[in-house]
Amino acid sequence: EAGVVQSPRYKIIEKKQPVAFWCNPISGHNTLYWYRQNLGQGPELLIRYENEEAVDDSQLPKDRFSAERLKGVDSTLKIQPAELGDSAVYLCASSFRTGAYPYSPLHFGNGTRLTVT
Amino acid sequence: SQELEQSPQSLIVQEGKNLTINCTSSKTLYGLYWYKQKYGEGLIFLMMLQKGGEEKSHEKITAKLDEKKQQSSLHITASQPSHAGIYLCGAVPLKFTGGGNKLTFGTGTQLKVEL
Repeated sequence: EAGVVQSPRYKIIEKKQPVAFWCNPISGHNTLYWYRQNLGQGPELLIRYENEEAVDDSQLPKDRFSAERLKGVDSTLKIQPAELGDSAVYLCASSFRTGAYPYSPLHFGNGTRLTVT
Repeated sequence: SQELEQSPQSLIVQEGKNLTINCTSSKTLYGLYWYKQKYGEGLIFLMMLQKGGEEKSHEKITAKLDEKKQQSSLHITASQPSHAGIYLCGAVPLKFTGGGNKLTFGTGTQLKVEL
């Protein structure tokens, strides 16, 4: 089975520019997550989707970050405008959650490494 | 909020040696997950522990969850260069009612295996 696919792998932009990241989850996975990982730290959740619905976006800086998950499959995370502090690796993950198995493991993509100059 | 502390932060071992990485939570957990990450790549799922006292093994890696479900250890036997990477524990707190899998991660343990 194909894993979580993210693109691009790397992105270098100047501050104040917009940037977008794309994620294609594992087929059949109904839950999708965006995490941000700073150097030397563990990933931190930005937003979690159940199908098309964003069920947890409390950690998403909504003044500059936005996300969408069209038709409950692919997802896009956007930053506009980017700031120097946004430099990090942005990870997408997916899982299949059911009532009987609500805490199934997350499967991660390889991430997008963003550098803001 | 839940905090996960991992120790040590980094570890250098000689090939063939055993090692242990620890993960401690400030709260009782529903589930504890171990992941491995190589530089520049995503996280690879290793194991999930849910029951107090549970122990799971995969090849030369063994993970245990204590009875109180607040502490876990990851033990690697006879380490090999392929074991090198960053090991991360992630957890869902017991009283999380938001649904889904809101994993909180520790800061990771960087493992280097010397020949």
